[in-house]
Amino acid sequence: DSGVTQTPKHLITATGQRVTLRCSPRSGDLSVYWYQQSLDQGLQFLIQYYNGEERAKGNILERFSAQQFPDLHSELNLSSLELGDSALYFCASSTRQNRGYTFGSGTRLTVV
Amino acid sequence: AQKVTQAQTEISVVEKEDVTLDCVYETRDTTYYLFWYKQPPSGELVFLIRRNSFDEQNEISGRYSWNFQKSTSSFNFTITASQVVDSAVYFCALSEGLYAGGTSYGKLTFGQGTILTVHP
Repeated sequence: DSGVTQTPKHLITATGQRVTLRCSPRSGDLSVYWYQQSLDQGLQFLIQYYNGEERAKGNILERFSAQQFPDLHSELNLSSLELGDSALYFCASSTRQNRGYTFGSGTRLTVV
Repeated sequence: AQKVTQAQTEISVVEKEDVTLDCVYETRDTTYYLFWYKQPPSGELVFLIRRNSFDEQNEISGRYSWNFQKSTSSFNFTITASQVVDSAVYFCALSEGLYAGGTSYGKLTFGQGTILTVHP
């Protein structure tokens, strides 16, 4: 157990639907990062939050949004889903004290 | 903008061979961190090493070793006497320096990954 918890582990949904992925960071970590891993795009940075505030944005589609709550957990919302959104979505948290980033085990999203 | 290039898409070796995975990076930052991660078939990302931009010492951990050369912006990874269990996708990654009083890292930029297959 890495200390970063992602739920659900697997998700199958239809095109056009909306889903929410949840991430709980390691205890004490203030930063949360979201990554998308697809076969053709590799590991792409989506967005970073630090203590509730958006800190950096990557290649995140307008159909996707995220937030970090006061208890520091984060949610990634994906809407109007397309087949191409099928991917493994990772969440990570960071603190200086450890080896940098701790990744969750990922949520595998399949859009059918 | 930061960029990480892993030119080797796939490498195939026979067990006990040595193998080197190449990583070249680009950044304008003077302070940055470099990482290697392993992704086995099960899918999780396993941390292997972190190196900061001020530490160019090579590192050895068991069968793994890393060669960081700032002059060529490279951070290569060598597996000595490879084993079947080493079969995985290996990612090199680059991070911005610390911020928020040193309590957090900036975003992490990954290379495209190298698929390593070790045959018995």
